[in-house]
Amino acid sequence: AQSVSQHNHHVILSEAASLELGCNYSYGGTVNLFWYVQYPGQHLQLLLKYFSGDPLVKGIKGFEAEFIKSKFSFNLRKPSVQWSDTAEYFCAVNALWGGYNKLIFGAGTRLAVHP
Amino acid sequence: DGGITQSPKYLFRKEGQNVTLSCEQNLNHDAMYWYRQDPGQGLRLIYYSQIVNDFQKGDIAEGYSVSREKKESFPLTVTSAQKNPTAFYLCASSRRLAGDTGELFFGEGSRLTVL
Repeated sequence: AQSVSQHNHHVILSEAASLELGCNYSYGGTVNLFWYVQYPGQHLQLLLKYFSGDPLVKGIKGFEAEFIKSKFSFNLRKPSVQWSDTAEYFCAVNALWGGYNKLIFGAGTRLAVHP
Repeated sequence: DGGITQSPKYLFRKEGQNVTLSCEQNLNHDAMYWYRQDPGQGLRLIYYSQIVNDFQKGDIAEGYSVSREKKESFPLTVTSAQKNPTAFYLCASSRRLAGDTGELFFGEGSRLTVL
């Protein structure tokens, strides 16, 4: 069965530290990959996405992610985090399943950034 | 503005009572989804619907029911058969076509607490 693993459940960083959140998926077919973010008290929103082409994708607010097909990974990075990046981050994989778009989410990573 | 509206935001119910959560979208999306979000478990798919009058069970459909009588609306009923109904419920929508981006647009969620 398809699955998405996020290895870090809680991450605590100081402002200006670099961030890397891991995401691995298990699915043998063509995938579209996403990172969603949920800021405190707000709805889930798309941070960035990968469909094809350049495996390094850039999203909003200085985030980027790299798709490494051989490792089934799609790690999220940011060189220097800010207090406003405190949020929960979800990796997701879109698997085409019976003609339907089925989005499978990881368990999420809670990031706390201290000033 | 286009978007997804969920109501109510907060709901308290006694054990044994059925409750219905509302989800309305004006994005003209064909597909709609219900997810359940629990701490440390990410988002799990309850039900989804690709077109009006059609819906499919997701990964954790037991104890839930849905209807899709209108394109804009996809209400979720949490029945008394659901053993652990206290959770945060998220409604989402996307364009229908298979091979599409799979990007979901989320509502702000409904937090159900069963006393």
